Amino acid sequence: EVVLTQSPATLSLYPGERATLSCRASQSITTYLAWYQQKPGQPPTLLIYNTSNRATGIPARFSGGGSGTDFTLTISNLEPEDFAVYYCQQRGSWPPTFGQGTRVEI
Amino acid sequence: DVELVQSGGGLVQPGGSLRLSCAASGVTFGTYRMHWVRQVPGKGLVWVSDIQGDGTVTNYADSVKGRFTISRDNSRKMLYLQMDSLSAEDTTVYYCARGYASGFDSWGQGTLVTVSS
Repeated sequence: EVVLTQSPATLSLYPGERATLSCRASQSITTYLAWYQQKPGQPPTLLIYNTSNRATGIPARFSGGGSGTDFTLTISNLEPEDFAVYYCQQRGSWPPTFGQGTRVEI
Repeated sequence: DVELVQSGGGLVQPGGSLRLSCAASGVTFGTYRMHWVRQVPGKGLVWVSDIQGDGTVTNYADSVKGRFTISRDNSRKMLYLQMDSLSAEDTTVYYCARGYASGFDSWGQGTLVTVSS
């Protein structure tokens, strides 16, 4: 199965700063990558699908990019509600797999 | 938009069985592949199983193959996960989710399954 490795494990930033999260796949998944935000006690929320498409209702400060094995999620101008855990996930190869998560903390 | 509401779960003894349900409201349920994903509280997410929109094709993670059965009733907009031969390793929060493009765009609220004597 495809292993997704996210880095860093924790990102400590101030509101208003830019966050850049990385997700590396153990083999090519073309562009079949998604990103989620999860807050305590809640299910994940889809942010980005197919590498760079924002899901319905997701603010423009969230953007995704990459292809093949290297992907990034960028959050420009961090808002207080953006401090959470972020997961990448792939469906380019069966079975679907998730990264271990990156915590974005204040 | 779609809302997914889960039920079932709870405490079960090792070797026991449990059935999870996921009720969908909103758009045409039968159009979408549906999934179950689980998560140990405070830990990462693990895909468990999925089922094609018409219910004819199912897939399972190796860890649950032969023990779990996914099914759906499109007329009732319901998704199910029958879990048999449960062990402590199955103790976790289970989510139902709708497949969309490369991701899962709607999630249930989650239900905790605890396997313990």
